[in-house]
Amino acid sequence: EPEVTQTPSHQVTQMGQEVILRCVPISNHLYFYWYRQILGQKVEFLVSFYNNEISEKSEIFDDQFSVERPDGSNFTLKIRSTKLEDSAMYFCASTTSPEQFFGPGTRLTVL
Amino acid sequence: AQSVSQHNHHVILSEAASLELGCNYSYGGTVNLFWYVQYPGQHLQLLLKYFSGDPLVKGIKGFEAEFIKSKFSFNLRKPSVQWSDTAEYFCAVLCSNDYKLSFGAGTTVTVRA
Repeated sequence: EPEVTQTPSHQVTQMGQEVILRCVPISNHLYFYWYRQILGQKVEFLVSFYNNEISEKSEIFDDQFSVERPDGSNFTLKIRSTKLEDSAMYFCASTTSPEQFFGPGTRLTVL
Repeated sequence: AQSVSQHNHHVILSEAASLELGCNYSYGGTVNLFWYVQYPGQHLQLLLKYFSGDPLVKGIKGFEAEFIKSKFSFNLRKPSVQWSDTAEYFCAVLCSNDYKLSFGAGTTVTVRA
């Protein structure tokens, strides 16, 4: 069964550094998403992406964040200058229907 | 803005007990409804979903949920829990005018052997 994959599973970085989180969505899916879950809190929507552009973003998704689909298979989330409060689990999801399929997540720890 | 409320933050029960987790949402239009489970250290897995039709939906691992439109609710149930059901459970809603999921705060379920 096809699944969404994410790399790395855990990323540790210093505050102020740039990180790129990678996702490979399910191959025939058209809509892509990033969500995050701060420890002990609920899953929050960050951004949706369709037809090679952002279709919606939340207020969390400020200028420090960007998304890209560089090669037609990978879907990346870049955080330009990480802050302590960016420490969270980041989930990628993809879909062609109402049901979204989630990846296993990347745990980002900002020191 | 869409909001999703889960009534219980933490539920503790013994094996074989029945489980019911409440979920209410605020959107008045057409919705797609989901329950996800997150086992310790693992990612989100879909338990069940409601798109249309029979409001009583059955999912994996013996879970079911009932959509009651008049109450804006989608409560999750399992008649007899097992120790392996210990996990965090999230209700999520997709509104007809939207493409993003709105999640509830989650309910931690601890099943004692």
